[in-house]
Amino acid sequence: QKEVEQNSGPLSVPEGAIASLNCTYSDRVSQSFFWYRQYSGKSPELIMSIYSNGDKEDGRFTAQLNKASQYVSLLIRDSQPSDSATYLCAVSFGGSNYKLTFGKGTLLTVNP
Amino acid sequence: DTGVSQDPRHKITKRGQNVTFRCDPISEHNRLYWYRQTLGQGPEFLTYFQNEAQLEKSRLLSDRFSAERPKGSFSTLEIQRTEQGDSAMYLCASSRTGTGGNDEQFFGPGTRLTVL
Repeated sequence: QKEVEQNSGPLSVPEGAIASLNCTYSDRVSQSFFWYRQYSGKSPELIMSIYSNGDKEDGRFTAQLNKASQYVSLLIRDSQPSDSATYLCAVSFGGSNYKLTFGKGTLLTVNP
Repeated sequence: DTGVSQDPRHKITKRGQNVTFRCDPISEHNRLYWYRQTLGQGPEFLTYFQNEAQLEKSRLLSDRFSAERPKGSFSTLEIQRTEQGDSAMYLCASSRTGTGGNDEQFFGPGTRLTVL
């Protein structure tokens, strides 16, 4: 069974610090990797996608992918209280339908 | 607003009743997905359409669940004879075929179902 694992947290960081969120997945054939942010009671919001090994930066967010280690991470620089949310890692394990398999999410709290 | 829309946003029903949810994807998106999310869990895949064709159904989707996407536009998800275990957030997402097959999915606001 193809799985995505995340630490459930909560992860607590002070305002202005770097928050590091980690995710591992079970299948080496995985093609596409996504990070979603979900505020309480709301639906997931796509914040980053990454498809090849290395780093991808978008504003304060950096996604890192290491396919050999089956590991993907999200760094949030200069964390703000508004970043407090659950962060979901999602993986497309390949095949023809691109369905996503999600981890359970990591709850991040940024303290002012 | 050109995002994914879902209706209704909330639904409370009694056990044994039928319910139907609607999803309108982003207009140029040819792929549409339904997921279900319960408290403390990530979304779980239910079913997938490419245009009007339903190409995959999860084993989570019992015979009480049916989904359609007539004309490849909006989609409906119907649950018959609801059970308390059906209580969840039902999420719709859409995407379009991208370069190299990469596929970013954008979610609607969800329909929260409560079965009493």
